[in-house]
Amino acid sequence: AQKVTQAQTEISVVEKEDVTLDCVYETRDTTYYLFWYKQPPSGELVFLIRRNSFDEQNEISGRYSWNFQKSTSSFNFTITASQVVDSAVYFCALRGQGGSEKLVFGKGTKLTVNP
Amino acid sequence: DAGVIQSPRHEVTEMGQEVTLRCKPISGHDYLFWYRQTMMRGLELLIYFNNNVPIDDSGMPEDRFSAKMPNASFSTLKIQPSEPRDSAVYFCASSPAVGIQETQYFGPGTRLLVL
Repeated sequence: AQKVTQAQTEISVVEKEDVTLDCVYETRDTTYYLFWYKQPPSGELVFLIRRNSFDEQNEISGRYSWNFQKSTSSFNFTITASQVVDSAVYFCALRGQGGSEKLVFGKGTKLTVNP
Repeated sequence: DAGVIQSPRHEVTEMGQEVTLRCKPISGHDYLFWYRQTMMRGLELLIYFNNNVPIDDSGMPEDRFSAKMPNASFSTLKIQPSEPRDSAVYFCASSPAVGIQETQYFGPGTRLLVL
C-alpha cells in the first residue's frame, strides 16, 4: 500500500521566518515519483515540483527548496523568508508503479504567514 | 495555453436534485481524473479516463455517481440524486500521457453544496 503522511496539520509563522513542511511516505515500489502541490485560499491546486525516486539531489527554486531523503522516506519542503502570499494548504503526493496512475495525497499542511 | 477548465465554479442545490459537473482537460492530454476533496477524507480519486475510456472507477462512492467522457475535450460527473453528504469540492485534472512520472494539472474545482 502507498501512503503519504503530513504530520503537521497547521503551522503559523511570522513573515520572513523560514518554515519547513514535512512529508513522509510509504511505498514498496522501487520506482516512484513525489509531488508537492499548493492550494491557496482561492481553492485551486497548483503544481510545485516533481521528484523521482532515483534523484536524491536537493532542489532550490527561488525561496523554495526541497530535501529528498530515501533513507528516511521523506520529501520535505522549506520556504525561506516566508511571505504572506505563501499562506496556503500544501499537499505532498506519491505515485508509484504499484499504484498505476493513482496519485496518493497526504492530508495537507495549512501554512499561515502573518505580517 | 489554457489550463483545465471546470464549470460551474459553485453549485448550490437541494437534496434529491441532479447535479452535473463539467470539465475540459488541457488539449493533448490523454488522461483525465476526477477527485473529491472534503475535510474528513482529504483528496480522493473518484475515477480516471485514458483516451476517453474509463480505466478505474473504484473510487466512485455509489451508484448515484456517474462519469462520462464523450470526447477528448469534455467530461461530466453526474450525481443523481444528490445528498447533503455529497457536499465537497470536486476537482478535475489531466495529464499528458501514461507513466507515473507524468504530472497531473488540476482545474479550479467546483464547490458543491447540497442542502
